[in-house]
Amino acid sequence: EDQVTQSPEALRLQEGESSSLNCSYTVSGLRGLFWYRQDPGKGPEFLFTLYSAGEEKEKERLKATLTKKESFLHITAPKPEDSATYLCAVQEGPTGGYQKVTFGTGTKLQVIP
Amino acid sequence: DAGVTQSPTHLIKTRGQQVTLRCSPKSGHDTVSWYQQALGQGPQFIFQYYEEEERQRGNFPDRFSGHQFPNYSSELNVNALLLGDSALYLCASSWDRDTEAFFGQGTRLTVV
Repeated sequence: EDQVTQSPEALRLQEGESSSLNCSYTVSGLRGLFWYRQDPGKGPEFLFTLYSAGEEKEKERLKATLTKKESFLHITAPKPEDSATYLCAVQEGPTGGYQKVTFGTGTKLQVIP
Repeated sequence: DAGVTQSPTHLIKTRGQQVTLRCSPKSGHDTVSWYQQALGQGPQFIFQYYEEEERQRGNFPDRFSGHQFPNYSSELNVNALLLGDSALYLCASSWDRDTEAFFGQGTRLTVV
């Protein structure tokens, strides 16, 4: 069965303490991997799309990387405002055909001042 | 650009009732997807609309139905509400199916 697994479930960091969040997937025909940030009670906010192994994207203190089996979201020198749940989603399926999007359960990040 | 807007933001319904949730996509987007997010879980795909037709559907019963209008806005209807339907319902819009989706703030549905 296709799966998207995020780890850890929760992460507590001191302000400035860099770390990485992991998203591992077992799907065939990957079309894209998405990272979102979600604040409590709000909809997910789009961060990155990665399409192929070896691809990297950066935005402020965040950097996303992709391999054939997993993606990492690296957070460099985090600030308290980076506290949120980070969701990973995988899109699979043939061009022009049924495409399935599967979300992981997220990593809840707390950054302590 | 107002982004993706959903209404209402909160809703309380009684078991067995019917509910309609609404979504206006981001300007320039023609595809609308609906998701259900239970507390502590990732969003679960319900269905996707494109050109006023349901193009894809997740593993949800027929009690969940939808509609897309010519202006690309969309509705999600849920009949015969169950307690387990209580969740955050998210609408996401995109330009066709191959691009990233942008989400609205969601509608919090509570079934009592």
